[in-house]
Amino acid sequence: GNSVTQMEGPVTLSEEAFLTINCTYTATGYPSLFWYVQYPGEGLQLLLKATKADDKGSNKGFEATYRKETTSFHLEKGSVQVSDSAVYFCALSGSGGSYIPTFGRGTSLIVHP
Amino acid sequence: DTAVSQTPKYLVTQMGNDKSIKCEQNLGHDTMYWYKQDSKKFLKIMFSYNNKELIINETVPNRFSPKSPDKAHLNLHINSLELGDSAVYFCASSQDLTAIRSGNTIYFGEGSWLTVV
Repeated sequence: GNSVTQMEGPVTLSEEAFLTINCTYTATGYPSLFWYVQYPGEGLQLLLKATKADDKGSNKGFEATYRKETTSFHLEKGSVQVSDSAVYFCALSGSGGSYIPTFGRGTSLIVHP
Repeated sequence: DTAVSQTPKYLVTQMGNDKSIKCEQNLGHDTMYWYKQDSKKFLKIMFSYNNKELIINETVPNRFSPKSPDKAHLNLHINSLELGDSAVYFCASSQDLTAIRSGNTIYFGEGSWLTVV
């Protein structure tokens, strides 16, 4: 079946540090890949996505590249802010005829001033 | 103007009670979901409806019963609440099943925090 593996958190950084949150997946065919973000007390919202190999999704300074050869979709940001503190979820959908989007376990990011 | 809205946002209740969480989406989507998020933030799909019909029912106790009166609404009723039901429940929607396969976004509500005491 489909699965998404994310690095365990929390990830704790100082403001303006470089961020990487690793995500790898297992799926058949060519799934679409997503990063969702959950701010404290809120629901999940789409951060960025990529629907085919080598596509790069980007939004709010975050970016991730769909790497089929390594089955990865790592999230990066060059300079994090305190307001980026949240839980980040990697997800996939559209694999093997499945209607269920598959989410990773989430990685908590804490950014200190 | 909230796309996916759920009520109540917070619910504290005693073991053994029956409670409902309501969800409505104004996006014109065909597909709706209920997810459960535990204390470690893990998201687990519970149910999915497409055009008012149940299409996914994961291994969820029979005490949980979804109801979709129309495709804009998907309510969750929970009977005989147990301590382990304490979690955040998220309603979500997507355009349709085909859209999910082609990478369309899922829109989430803000969550309903259920605490069973």
